[in-house]
Amino acid sequence: SQTIHQWPATLVQPVGSPLSLECTVEGTSNPNLYWYRQAAGRGLQLLFYSVGIGQISSEVPQNLSASRPQDRQFILSSKKLLLSDSGFYLCAWGLGQYTGELFFGEGSRLTVL
Amino acid sequence: EDQVTQSPEALRLQEGESSSLNCSYTVSGLRGLFWYRQDPGKGPEFLFTLYSAGEEKEKERLKATLTKKESFLHITAPKPEDSATYLCAVRVTGGGNKLTFGTGTQLKVEL
Repeated sequence: SQTIHQWPATLVQPVGSPLSLECTVEGTSNPNLYWYRQAAGRGLQLLFYSVGIGQISSEVPQNLSASRPQDRQFILSSKKLLLSDSGFYLCAWGLGQYTGELFFGEGSRLTVL
Repeated sequence: EDQVTQSPEALRLQEGESSSLNCSYTVSGLRGLFWYRQDPGKGPEFLFTLYSAGEEKEKERLKATLTKKESFLHITAPKPEDSATYLCAVRVTGGGNKLTFGTGTQLKVEL
């Protein structure tokens, strides 16, 4: 069966510090991978998606970046965090380029102080 | 701009009290509507996919329906374990991989 792992689950970071969130998927090959952010009172916002190794599409211009160094690994990074980066970050995977059936990780709660 | 609006924002039901959640959408061209369930502090869990008006899907106490302007998630005889936030999302023509999510309905079912 397929599983998705996301870490860390919770982190508190000072403004201006770097960020790295990691996500790995097991039990499937060549998945589409997604990073979403969920802010209080707002819907899930798509940040990045990837259809293959090294292929990253950005949906929202910001100080975040994503990388996919391996088929089932997706990393969200920032060189300098802003207060507005606080939120609940969710990694997800799906099969097929235009599927709406996504499988989400447990999420990473980021607080920037 | 594509928009997804869910109502009500919050709903409190007694166990066994059936009700419906609404997801209305204004999009250029619908390529699919999706329902998810999200428990507090967790990632969303996929429930249903609907593609065309008149389509219905069922799972246990949940039934999702779709019209040309909105979707309903009907909950029949809910139990406390149905308490969660229910999200709907749409995929639109020309939107590629992007899903546009609503802000959700927070459902609480009490004994």
